[in-house]
Amino acid sequence: DAKTTQPPSMDCAEGRAANLPCNHSTISGNEYVYWYRQIHSQGPQYIIHGLKNNETNEMASLIITEDRKSSTLILPHATLRDTAVYYCIVRVPNSGYALNFGKGTSLLVTP
Amino acid sequence: GAVVSQHPSRVICKSGTSVKIECRSLDFQATTMFWYRQFPKQSLMLMATSNEGSKATYEQGVEKDKFLINHASLTLSTLTVTSAHPEDSSFYICSARNRDSPSGANVLTFGAGSRLTVL
Repeated sequence: DAKTTQPPSMDCAEGRAANLPCNHSTISGNEYVYWYRQIHSQGPQYIIHGLKNNETNEMASLIITEDRKSSTLILPHATLRDTAVYYCIVRVPNSGYALNFGKGTSLLVTP
Repeated sequence: GAVVSQHPSRVICKSGTSVKIECRSLDFQATTMFWYRQFPKQSLMLMATSNEGSKATYEQGVEKDKFLINHASLTLSTLTVTSAHPEDSSFYICSARNRDSPSGANVLTFGAGSRLTVL
């Protein structure tokens, strides 16, 4: 799996957009970028994933650079309930399907 | 959407006893389930991969005789911590992949976790 690098922590004011970066400079052509988050003392929650095109769903948007070496998860209007650890994971499909979690970014949304 | 139920959410046991944790996919069939362990302020560590009807595959350093995994049906996997000791106290989380999801999606649904405390 390609290694990912995320800042250990970020703050965001409630109502503002939260932009969480992820570097994956060694990503290979067939690896997808996945984002999950884990609210304290809960199981991880799937957010979004993409290969090379930007993606958007009801939770967030995923912006992947043209060279695919980095991506940004955007929470357009952060709420207090978005306070969580966010994990960026790069994985080849059909590779056993297990996800290996790094340290992620701890996002704190403040009032 | 896909839901994974994990039970119990919290369990306290005495050292030397065994504890069973259940993981159920409620509205989909899961050919593969995964068990993770998470210590305080650390990330999730994959313990084992469980395939329905076959033996689990354990990650390096995880004792298969201590952490018994059974995946007898497409909707249920169990993790039994045998002869638990205080160092086994942790947050155990299961996850499952929908058998009918696109093969390239690799999206897993996670349970809410089970917090084990061994006294």
